[in-house]
Amino acid sequence: EAQVTQNPRYLITVTGKKLTVTCSQNMNHEYMSWYRQDPGLGLRQIYYSMNVEVTDKGDVPEGYKVSRKEKRNFPLILESPSPNQTSLYFCASSRTGGTLETQYFGPGTRLLVL
Amino acid sequence: GIQVEQSPPDLILQEGANSTLRCNFSDSVNNLQWFHQNPWGQLINLFYIPSGTKQNGRLSATTVATERYSLLYISSSQTTDSGVYFCAVNNDMRFGAGTRLTVKP
Repeated sequence: EAQVTQNPRYLITVTGKKLTVTCSQNMNHEYMSWYRQDPGLGLRQIYYSMNVEVTDKGDVPEGYKVSRKEKRNFPLILESPSPNQTSLYFCASSRTGGTLETQYFGPGTRLLVL
Repeated sequence: GIQVEQSPPDLILQEGANSTLRCNFSDSVNNLQWFHQNPWGQLINLFYIPSGTKQNGRLSATTVATERYSLLYISSSQTTDSGVYFCAVNNDMRFGAGTRLTVKP
């Protein structure tokens, strides 16, 4: 089954404790991205990757890191989480980053930073 | 950057009613998609529709790119249609704030 998976689905952590949220897709997609969703704001893009070893900042990259060492994986790293990073996070992928592509979203990761 | 506004922000319907959700955008777009986020948080792609009209069962969407808006129609609504509907535009998927739809039995 074609899908985007994220782990963990739920995470409670404390300020300053490094964490990684994994994202994996099995569709051989080139383009992957991370979003955060906050009430009243819709989804905002954090980082995106056009292909392996190619990443770039989205609208709200501060406090986050990403890497794209393999085509299928695009982990999101919070080096020193803070309470304002409490949010619902989505990973997405599409065949390419072109204008004609449909994006497929993972199930989401709910993060609470105390 | 491009602004995306959705209306109404909230909509409550009785089962069986029809509804129209609107997405306005401030500049020309080369990609527009509609998504449904169900009550469990899952995001489902409904339509890829940068222009024209598409239909899928009880749902249809129309984008009038020259006038910078898109409409999502839901006919004969069901309780399973409840959730938040988002439109998103362009390659960087700039999202609107969403329309929260509640369908009551």
